[in-house]
Amino acid sequence: GENVEQHPSTLSVQEGDSAVIKCTYSDSASNYFPWYKQELGKRPQLIIDIRSNVGEKKDQRIAVTLNKTAKHFSLHITETQPEDSAVYFCAASIGAGGTSYGKLTFGQGTILTVHP
Amino acid sequence: EAQVTQNPRYLITVTGKKLTVTCSQNMNHEYMSWYRQDPGLGLRQIYYSMNVEVTDKGDVPEGYKVSRKEKRNFPLILESPSPNQTSLYFCASSLRGESPLHFGNGTRLTVT
Repeated sequence: GENVEQHPSTLSVQEGDSAVIKCTYSDSASNYFPWYKQELGKRPQLIIDIRSNVGEKKDQRIAVTLNKTAKHFSLHITETQPEDSAVYFCAASIGAGGTSYGKLTFGQGTILTVHP
Repeated sequence: EAQVTQNPRYLITVTGKKLTVTCSQNMNHEYMSWYRQDPGLGLRQIYYSMNVEVTDKGDVPEGYKVSRKEKRNFPLILESPSPNQTSLYFCASSLRGESPLHFGNGTRLTVT
């Protein structure tokens, strides 16, 4: 089955710095890669996603890159702010061509702390 | 308001006593799924459903059952709960299998 590895498990940065979180996946049938942010005591919420036919996607200070050949994708947050502090999860979803279409596997999460 | 509603929010029970956690969505989503969240392990998918009467196992289905008799509801059933099922559970739905998930508020389950 699919295996998603996420690194680092914790990340501490100063306000205004950039933060990068990396994920690798194992199943070549995965074709949808969302990122979720979970603030303390709250539900996860989507912040950005990318599909396998796209190499990069940006939304203001957040960007995601995907390398299908190497099976890895990364989240980039620029100009970090204290409100970016949260747990971030990557995920990989098996596409319609796979035997487990719809199965979603999450990474273990990264605790991001942005110091003022 | 578009939402995923889970009940109850908190549940304390004893080993072996059957329980059901309900999940309902009002967005006419085809895809629904259940996850458990444990420290250091992230979110792990228990079961998912691509549509009515279609359910499949996720990564950790042992000890759980689900049913999808109606599009809006996707209950999670623990027929004989054990302490290792103590966890935070999330239900989520999306338009289809490769779409952003909308999560419920979570159910914190403690099995003693």
